[in-house]
Order: sequence, then C-alpha cells, then structure tokens
Amino acid sequence: DAGVIQSPRHEVTEMGQEVTLRCKPISGHDYLFWYRQTMMRGLELLIYFNNNVPIDDSGMPEDRFSAKMPNASFSTLKIQPSEPRDSAVYFCASRQLMNTEAFFGQGTRLTVV
Amino acid sequence: AQKITQTQPGMFVQEKEAVTLDCTYDTSDQSYGLFWYKQPSSGEMIFLIYQGSYDEQNATEGRYSLNFQKARKSANLVISASQLGDSAMYFCAMREPTGGTSYGKLTFGQGTILTVHP
Repeated sequence: DAGVIQSPRHEVTEMGQEVTLRCKPISGHDYLFWYRQTMMRGLELLIYFNNNVPIDDSGMPEDRFSAKMPNASFSTLKIQPSEPRDSAVYFCASRQLMNTEAFFGQGTRLTVV
Repeated sequence: AQKITQTQPGMFVQEKEAVTLDCTYDTSDQSYGLFWYKQPSSGEMIFLIYQGSYDEQNATEGRYSLNFQKARKSANLVISASQLGDSAMYFCAMREPTGGTSYGKLTFGQGTILTVHP
C-alpha cells in the first residue's frame, strides 16, 4: 500500500492567490482528517470526513478555507485568498476503523509570501 | 469537549536510559482511544502505540509502553533504553467514541520534544 498521498509536498504562493492541497487516502479507509501544524498552535484539526461526508468543520479557521471529498479516494483543501498567516504544514490522515490508528501523509509545507 | 495536555515542552535523556513523557486528558466519555505518535525532524507522523479505554493491560510495543491510569486520566509514554534515533517530537492524541453525534474525532496535544544525548 502506498499510504496516504499528499500533493504538492511544498507550495510557495503569493498572498491573495488560491491554493489547493490534495490528498489521496488509503484505499478502504472511511475517515479522512485534515490537520494544520504550526509552531504557535501545534497540530490543529481543521475538518474530518466519514464516508466522504464532512462531519466536523469547526476547526476551519475562516471562510477562506474549504474542503471537499468528492469520492472515497480524493480530498482537497482550498484556501482562497491565501494570507501569510496560512503558512504551515498541512497534513492529511486516514483511518479505517474506530480502534485503529490514523495514517498520515507526508504533509504539504505551504508558504504564503 | 475533549482536551489533551502535554505539560513538558522539552525533555532530555541520556542514551540507554528510560524516559517518561506525560499526557493527561479530559473527557466525559467512557469509551475512547489514546495514541502516541512520533514526529522526527523529517516531519512525518509515525504511529507508536494505542490504548483503548477499556483495555485493562497497559499497551506495549517493543521499547514503548503506555502507562495508563484511567482514574487519573493520564496516558504517559515510557521509552526504555533510549536511542539517538528517538530524538523527535512526540504527540499524545485521543479519539472520541462513535455513536450518536460522535464520529471518532482525533485530537492532539501540543507535543513534547525529546532529545537523547549520547
């Protein structure tokens, strides 16, 4: 199994631009999580899906952030417009059953200049 | 609401010694799961160990063990015989139960940076 795949690994963009982060979960996993990691705030849960349905998006910082999961094998996190304070590492993770661990992707390091 | 607390921003240990990383949690749920993850400097998140709230035995995985004290709501990670490669950030996490409006949300603590000295 290839694991959770995130793309791109690194993204540098200018303030005001739209950014789209992508995630392919492990096949058969029915939970998908998006996290943001910064030095100041640690690892924050942004949103998570169960069977492609968003369950809790209370961690999404503001309306500039949106996430979708059109099918079981693909999810996107979009920031529009991006701001320098959005600079962080964004992780996607997936999990199959309640008593198993979540598997993380390698993360996308986003820099907004 | 769930809360995970790791009170040690940084810890130091001598190679081959044991070290305990603290984690306390707060929940009103009876069924939950506790996890520890390791994040080396390369950035990936590596699962280490899991403890279910109904598990009577402390979980062990090789050199890792979880000291689970349910009444005190603590889930400390013990690393025995530390190695230089253990130097990393360590995160404690808690999964809420499923059922009703609860869908297994996974929340992380702030992390502890462990440095192993030769």
